Amino acid sequence: GESVGLHLPTLSVQEGDNSIINCAYSNSASDYFIWYKQESGKGPQFIIDIRSNMDKRQGQRVTVLLNKTVKHLSLQIAATQPGDSAVYFCAEINDYKLSFGAGTTVTVRA
Amino acid sequence: DAMVIQNPRYQVTQFGKPVTLSCSQTLNHNVMYWYQQKSSQAPKLLFHYYDKDFNNEADTPDNFQSRRPNTSFCFLDIRSPGLGDAAMYLCATRRDGGINQPQHFGDGTRLSIL
Repeated sequence: GESVGLHLPTLSVQEGDNSIINCAYSNSASDYFIWYKQESGKGPQFIIDIRSNMDKRQGQRVTVLLNKTVKHLSLQIAATQPGDSAVYFCAEINDYKLSFGAGTTVTVRA
Repeated sequence: DAMVIQNPRYQVTQFGKPVTLSCSQTLNHNVMYWYQQKSSQAPKLLFHYYDKDFNNEADTPDNFQSRRPNTSFCFLDIRSPGLGDAAMYLCATRRDGGINQPQHFGDGTRLSIL
């Protein structure tokens, strides 16, 4: 069977390793999802999005995976760098409004 | 090249003294949002404008009001700030092209209440 990634509020990663951040969403009717990165003292910054008719999308060093069966979203960051340290939020769109998931604080160890 | 600009970045006001936070955008987006974000929490939507149409969230306190005089500017007015209103206030915009468009955020105004 498929496993559902556990959402963790914090993630410590060694520089150069890959990071995986998990998120569960609530509305099975949601058809658009976004990952945001929020650095200390700044607003959320768009990283990558995915529509519900896709199960994977890749960007520069980032990949988003969508599993609609279990309402699960994940963000993979390749070769994590110190500049990746931030809080990461997943968000689903319903009726033109964002619903944010609980954030994950990623800390990159040198 | 900031596209969603919030002023000021830090605002201090006294308990009960009205305060206004401002947001401007150079993206010409027709939808603008105001969020409240408290420490270690996700942003919480207060209200949004779709063009000139104001849409309030059901649980937004009456203490919070908003104005949008034109496409580029949007204001958040807090009529009588309480200690619980200390937070980061984020403005965001979105282009109306269907729902599959991301919101773009400013860097927020951090509000402190004395």
